[in-house]
Amino acid sequence: DVKVTQSSRYLVKRTGEKVFLECVQDMDHENMFWYRQDPGLGLRLIYFSYDVKMKEKGDIPEGYSVSREKKERFSLILESASTNQTSMYLCASTHGGSGYEQYFGPGTRLTVT
Amino acid sequence: AQTVTQSQPEMSVQEAETVTLSCTYDTSESDYYLFWYKQPPSRQMILVIRQEAYKQQNATENRFSVNFQKAAKSFSLKISDSQLGDAAMYFCAYRSGPYFGNEKLTFGTGTRLTIIP
Repeated sequence: DVKVTQSSRYLVKRTGEKVFLECVQDMDHENMFWYRQDPGLGLRLIYFSYDVKMKEKGDIPEGYSVSREKKERFSLILESASTNQTSMYLCASTHGGSGYEQYFGPGTRLTVT
Repeated sequence: AQTVTQSQPEMSVQEAETVTLSCTYDTSESDYYLFWYKQPPSRQMILVIRQEAYKQQNATENRFSVNFQKAAKSFSLKISDSQLGDAAMYFCAYRSGPYFGNEKLTFGTGTRLTIIP
């Protein structure tokens, strides 16, 4: 079974803190993604990576950065958390090329106070 | 840029009945993929069904089937014999053609499906 895990299910941080969200996949997928899920807005792509040390901006990259030092791990970084970054964050991974499905992690519900 | 629209924020259906969730999309591409994902309450998002645009035949997976109308850019999901376990948020998603670098998905806003016992 493909497994995508995220470091925390729930996280509470204060405004201005640096926040790290970690994602690990065990299926040797080339591509990894970070989405943000908000009610009424669906899932929006923050960043994705198609290879180690490679990254591309998604639709809403402002206020976020990412790191991919190893193929199985993709980190989302909030340099200075703000209340408008309170959201559910979903990580996903997939093989490159043909229309393979994306496999999702369980999500991290981040609250910034 | 592609867009995906789900015009039904909420739907409900009686157990054992059939329900259809709507999805429309906008694209200028001819080669692409469409997906329906299911997100049960407090559980992980999983794939329900996938359709390749070049295939005219509608995809089916057990009780789940799609009505893919390429010219109309419509991709609806039909759930037959609805079960309590079908209660979830359903997302329609679009992916460009089968080339490296095209793996990202564009999602609709979702439809919350309630099953009435």
